[in-house]
Amino acid sequence: DQQVKQNSPSLSVQEGRISILNCDYTNSMFDYFLWYKKYPAEGPTFLISISSIKDKNEDGRFTVFLNKSAKHLSLHIVPSQPGDSAVYFCAASQGSYGQNFVFGPGTRLSVLP
Amino acid sequence: GAGVSQSPSNKVTEKGKDVELRCDPISGHTALYWYRQSLGQGLEFLIYFQGNSAPDKSGLPSDRFSAERTGGSVSTLTIQRTQQEDSAVYLCASSRWNEQFFGPGTRLTVL
Repeated sequence: DQQVKQNSPSLSVQEGRISILNCDYTNSMFDYFLWYKKYPAEGPTFLISISSIKDKNEDGRFTVFLNKSAKHLSLHIVPSQPGDSAVYFCAASQGSYGQNFVFGPGTRLSVLP
Repeated sequence: GAGVSQSPSNKVTEKGKDVELRCDPISGHTALYWYRQSLGQGLEFLIYFQGNSAPDKSGLPSDRFSAERTGGSVSTLTIQRTQQEDSAVYLCASSRWNEQFFGPGTRLTVL
């Protein structure tokens, strides 16, 4: 039973356009969420996080939106660049310390030049 | 570099053999995690260390899996009597606070 779901295994977007990656969770106790990016043959790298006291967090081209009532978060990348092509993992936890992180299955983003 | 390192990067073994995977976390990071990623799957949590103790071993898939951490630093994940379904990329991460820093992983192939 997946507690964190990323229902789109893959997504293709044209360079310069917006990429929207979605994540849904089932555990209402989750209150801290992160996005990681993973290139082939490398470990995941932290991208951006959001606490449940917020509904939006922005860092440069990356914005994460949280809808607690819908148990849904999304990552927006604007504008998308070819270097953004990677697998994106959503992760959730109770508390921000991290020992209870649950990861989604990932979405492979391809940004086409 | 000061990142998380893992060795070996690749390991091919025969079914039934034991394997040992190593993780060197970032210096000063008290928390250490092991995950695995099977083909086409997400990251599966295995075990978490705080210092040398493992308060959460809930993700270990069977008693063939064990892990230890010594000196609050290096950790080894041991898989005994490997099975083909153990084939995966095993990722280690360390953290001081909430952000986890991942190593490059060990790709394990069990023939």
